[in-house]
Amino acid sequence: DVQMTQSPSNLAASPGESVSINCKASKSISKYLAWYQQKPGKANKLLIYSGSTLQSGTPSRFSGSGSGTDFTLTIRNLEPEDFGLYYCQQHNEYPDTFGAGTKLELK
Amino acid sequence: EIQLQESGPGLVKPSQSLSLTCSVTGYTITSGYDWSWIRKFPGNKMEWMGYISYSGSTNYNPSLKSRISITRDTSKNQFFLQLNSVTTEDTATYYCARSNYPGALAYWGQGTLVTVSS
Repeated sequence: DVQMTQSPSNLAASPGESVSINCKASKSISKYLAWYQQKPGKANKLLIYSGSTLQSGTPSRFSGSGSGTDFTLTIRNLEPEDFGLYYCQQHNEYPDTFGAGTKLELK
Repeated sequence: EIQLQESGPGLVKPSQSLSLTCSVTGYTITSGYDWSWIRKFPGNKMEWMGYISYSGSTNYNPSLKSRISITRDTSKNQFFLQLNSVTTEDTATYYCARSNYPGALAYWGQGTLVTVSS
């Protein structure tokens, strides 16, 4: 299985700031990396897939970059609703595998 | 608007089978895409369990292959998860989801917590 190493595990920031979350695959996954947002009581939200393609409805302050083994999710100009848990997932080969998650908290 | 909703018992005894239903509205499960089960363990680790495709073929995580079965009822637009011989380590929040192309999980249910305990 492809191991996904996500960092940092916790992140504190203020509204208006920019943050980055990283994900490293144990082998090349081409561009096939997705990012999800998870919030209590809400359905998980696909933000970005194929490394950099924004899912319909994802605000443009979210961006994804990377290919091969190293990927980054960047959130610019943080809004209050952006705080929550974020996961990366490789969708290049089965079984799909996830990173351990990053908790983005309000500073 | 596509919506998915998980349902099933919240408590299962060790060695028994866990059975969950995913009810889909807003899209017909035979029209396209893969329909997956994913779980999140206490401590936040996520695991993809398997899917049933729009055509009825299945693909399972090898770590579960001997215990898992995903089936469907097309007349009710539902698909199902059965996990056999559960242990306390199967305690998790279980999600159903639909893929997009090329295989990310585009739509999710809200999840249902299943506790395995005697």
